[in-house]
Amino acid sequence: KAGVTQTPRYLIKTRGQQVTLSCSPISGHRSVSWYQQTPGQGLQFLFEYFSETQRNKGNFPGRFSGRQFSNSRSEMNVSTLELGDSALYLCASNPSGPGLNEQFFGPGTRLTVL
Amino acid sequence: TQLLEQSPQFLSIQEGENLTVYCNSSSVFSSLQWYRQEPGEGPVLLVTVVTGGEVKKLKRLTFQFGDARKDSSLHITAAQPGDTGLYLCAGLNLNDMRFGAGTRLTVKP
Repeated sequence: KAGVTQTPRYLIKTRGQQVTLSCSPISGHRSVSWYQQTPGQGLQFLFEYFSETQRNKGNFPGRFSGRQFSNSRSEMNVSTLELGDSALYLCASNPSGPGLNEQFFGPGTRLTVL
Repeated sequence: TQLLEQSPQFLSIQEGENLTVYCNSSSVFSSLQWYRQEPGEGPVLLVTVVTGGEVKKLKRLTFQFGDARKDSSLHITAAQPGDTGLYLCAGLNLNDMRFGAGTRLTVKP
């Protein structure tokens, strides 16, 4: 089976812009979670989607949003980008979802905000 | 302040040495996971421990969950260069998952 895929792998944006990141889970996995990883804060949970519904949400501002499609693919959107949004954004899928107990991570999208 | 404190932050050792990394918290978790992350990749799940006092072995890696389910350790025997990476612990409660900042391990040949 192919692993979790994320596109794009690298992205450079400027402050104030918005960005959309995409994640395709492992085939058959219906739960998708998103994380932000920075050197200062480490890995932080953003949100989880299962069957097109947001199940859980971390402590991030409303500028961070997401959605899931009927084929379980998910997108994450960040509006009005700030310098501090520069990070590695990781997506993970769960075969026995919903839940965070057994996750397979993708390689991430590295976002740089200038 | 991290909910989960990992120590040491950095560890550089020679091939063949043993090492232990720690993951400590003041909070109780229903389960705890260890991941290894290599540069340019996402974390890969190594183990999940659920029961207080539980010990799990995965080849040269030994994982222990504290009796009170607040802390955990990872011991690597006879480390190899392939063990190099960022080791992350994560505590889970229902739908909440918190990660430690990680221990960056370098094993020199």
